[in-house]
Amino acid sequence: DGGITQSPKYLFRKEGQNVTLSCEQNLNHDAMYWYRQDPGQGLRLIYYSQIVNDFQKGDIAEGYSVSREKKESFPLTVTSAQKNPTAFYLCASSISARQGQTQYFGPGTRLLVL
Amino acid sequence: AQSVTQLGSHVSVSEGALVLLRCNYSSSVPPYLFWYVQYPNQGLQLLLKYTTGATLVKGINGFEAEFKKSETSFHLTKPSAHMSDAAEYFCAVSATGAGSYQLTFGKGTKLSVIP
Repeated sequence: DGGITQSPKYLFRKEGQNVTLSCEQNLNHDAMYWYRQDPGQGLRLIYYSQIVNDFQKGDIAEGYSVSREKKESFPLTVTSAQKNPTAFYLCASSISARQGQTQYFGPGTRLLVL
Repeated sequence: AQSVTQLGSHVSVSEGALVLLRCNYSSSVPPYLFWYVQYPNQGLQLLLKYTTGATLVKGINGFEAEFKKSETSFHLTKPSAHMSDAAEYFCAVSATGAGSYQLTFGKGTKLSVIP
C-alpha cells in the first residue's frame, strides 16, 4: 500500500541531545513537509521541500534541521537548540508544491523530553 | 497573508444531531480550502477540498462544506452525528498565487458526540 511512514511512534530526548525523526513516503511525491502540533495550536510548518536536494524554512524552523537526499525520505533533526521540543510531529507529502495540492499525512511521532 | 479562524475549540452534539463546525478565512486572492480530521494520536486525513467550481463540496463519511465567498466562510456540516465522528477537525487554506506552497491551518475544533 502507498503511504507515509514515520518512526518512531514515541521518542524520548535527553537534555542537550539531538534526535532524528524519520519520514518515508512511497507515493512518488515531489514535495514533503514537517509540521509541529501543540495542543490548541493547530499545525505549524517547520520545513518543507519542493524537490530532492532542496528545502526551505517554514514558520518555526529555529532549533530544527532537515535533509532531502532522496525523493522518498525527509528526516527531521531536533537539535539541542530547540528548548521546548515536546510536541507531536507530523510529516506530510504532496504530488508537487503547486498551490492547492492536497497534502497527505503520516501517523506522527510524539517527542517527549526526559 | 492568509489566515484561518475556527470558531469554537470544542463542540458537543448529541448522536443523530446536526454537526456544524465553523471556519472563516482571510486571503487576498481566491483560496483553496480544506477540511481534515484527526483521531487521537493519529495523522490528519482529508475530509474534503474546495478548489474552483461548485461551492458545495461533498466529502467522506457524509460530511460536506459550502464555500461562501461573500462571508469568507467554509463551514463543515453533517446532517446526523455518529459516535465515530468524535475527533478533532482542522480547516486549512492555501491561497492561489505565487509562493503558495503552504497550508495555513486553523487551531482545530474538537467534536464530542454524546450518546
